Amino acid sequence: SQTIHQWPATLVQPVGSPLSLECTVEGTSNPNLYWYRQAAGRGLQLLFYSVGIGQISSEVPQNLSASRPQDRQFILSSKKLLLSDSGFYLCAWRPPRTGPNTEAFFGQGTRLTVV
Amino acid sequence: GNSVTQMEGPVTLSEEAFLTINCTYTATGYPSLFWYVQYPGEGLQLLLKATKADDKGSNKGFEATYRKETTSFHLEKGSVQVSDSAVYFCALISFGNEKLTFGTGTRLTIIP
Repeated sequence: SQTIHQWPATLVQPVGSPLSLECTVEGTSNPNLYWYRQAAGRGLQLLFYSVGIGQISSEVPQNLSASRPQDRQFILSSKKLLLSDSGFYLCAWRPPRTGPNTEAFFGQGTRLTVV
Repeated sequence: GNSVTQMEGPVTLSEEAFLTINCTYTATGYPSLFWYVQYPGEGLQLLLKATKADDKGSNKGFEATYRKETTSFHLEKGSVQVSDSAVYFCALISFGNEKLTFGTGTRLTIIP
């Protein structure tokens, strides 16, 4: 069966510090991968998605970046965090080339607090 | 582009009350529609889905019917429980678009 791992679960970082959040998927190949952010009291904002290694689509211009160094690994990074980067970050995956009928599967999330 | 408009929350109901959370969408082609639930401090879990017009998704007493004519996918439950307290998200994916588009979420609180 497929599983998704996301870490760390919580993170407190000072303004201006770098960020690296990691997500890995097991039990599948070439998944579609997604990073979402959920700010306090707000909905889910798609940040990045990837349909293959080295293929990253950015949805929102900001000081965050994403990379996919391996087939089942998706990393969210920042060189310098802002206070506004605080939120709940969720990684998700979908099976590849299955059309719209297949749902996404989410990790447990990382709560990031920038202080 | 695709978009999902979801009933504003928060919603507070008494146990055993009837629940409706409204969801309407705009999409190219014929999307698949989903309801996700998020319990406190956790990620999202799929609650139910419908992949074509007039389909009814159901799970844990929740139901939603894909209404193409009104572009809606309202979530309903006949008798809610305290354990249903969570945030509910309506979402869609359309053919040829790999992005899962979410509504803003509705926080539901059930009081005993």
